[in-house]
Amino acid sequence: EAQVTQNPRYLITVTGKKLTVTCSQNMNHEYMSWYRQDPGLGLRQIYYSMNVEVTDKGDVPEGYKVSRKEKRNFPLILESPSPNQTSLYFCASSLAQSAGNEQFFGPGTRLTVL
Amino acid sequence: GENVEQHPSTLSVQEGDSAVIKCTYSDSASNYFPWYKQELGKGPQLIIDIRSNVGEKKDQRIAVTLNKTAKHFSLHITETQPEDSAVYFCAATGFKTIFGAGTRLFVKA
Repeated sequence: EAQVTQNPRYLITVTGKKLTVTCSQNMNHEYMSWYRQDPGLGLRQIYYSMNVEVTDKGDVPEGYKVSRKEKRNFPLILESPSPNQTSLYFCASSLAQSAGNEQFFGPGTRLTVL
Repeated sequence: GENVEQHPSTLSVQEGDSAVIKCTYSDSASNYFPWYKQELGKGPQLIIDIRSNVGEKKDQRIAVTLNKTAKHFSLHITETQPEDSAVYFCAATGFKTIFGAGTRLFVKA
C-alpha cells in the first residue's frame, strides 16, 4: 500500500530533551516536506527536500533540523524542544514540487513539550 | 510574504444543502490549486484540484472554480452528507505551496 508513515504518533516530552520524528514514504517520491498545524493557522511548512541531500527552509524553520540521506526517509529533529513547538506535525511527499503534483500526507504526530 | 486567505473558518449546514468555501491567494505565479479534506485524527487528503488554465472542474458532488484575474478560487459541495463533516484546506502552488487556515464543516443530519 502506497503510504507515508510517521513515528511516533504521540509524544510528550520536556523542554530541552532532543527528539526525532521519523517519516518514511514507499512511493519513490523525490519531494518531501514537514508541516506543523496549529489552530487558526492552517499548515505551515517547516522544511522541505527536493531530493536526496537537498533540503531547504520553509516558512517556520527555527528550532528544527532535517536530513535526507535516503530518498524514502526524511526525519525531523528538535535539538532542544520548547513549549512553543507543541503542535501537530505532518510529513508529506510528492513526485516533485512542480505544480500539479498531489502531496500525500502522513497520519500526523502530536507533540507536547512541557 | 505570500499568503492564502480562506473563509469561512467554520461552516454549519443541514444535510442535503450546499456548502461553499472561498479562498484568495496573493502570489501571481500560483498555477495549481488543490483542496484537501482532513478527517479527525488523520492527515489531509486531496479531494480535487484545478490548474490555472481551467476555470471549473467537477467530480460528482464536488466542484472547484477558479478566477485567476481576481485570484479567487472556491470549493462547492452539493447534497452534503454527514460524512462530508471535516476540515477543508485550500492551497495555492507556484514556486511553493501555501495553505489556507482551514474551514471546519459540520453537516447536521
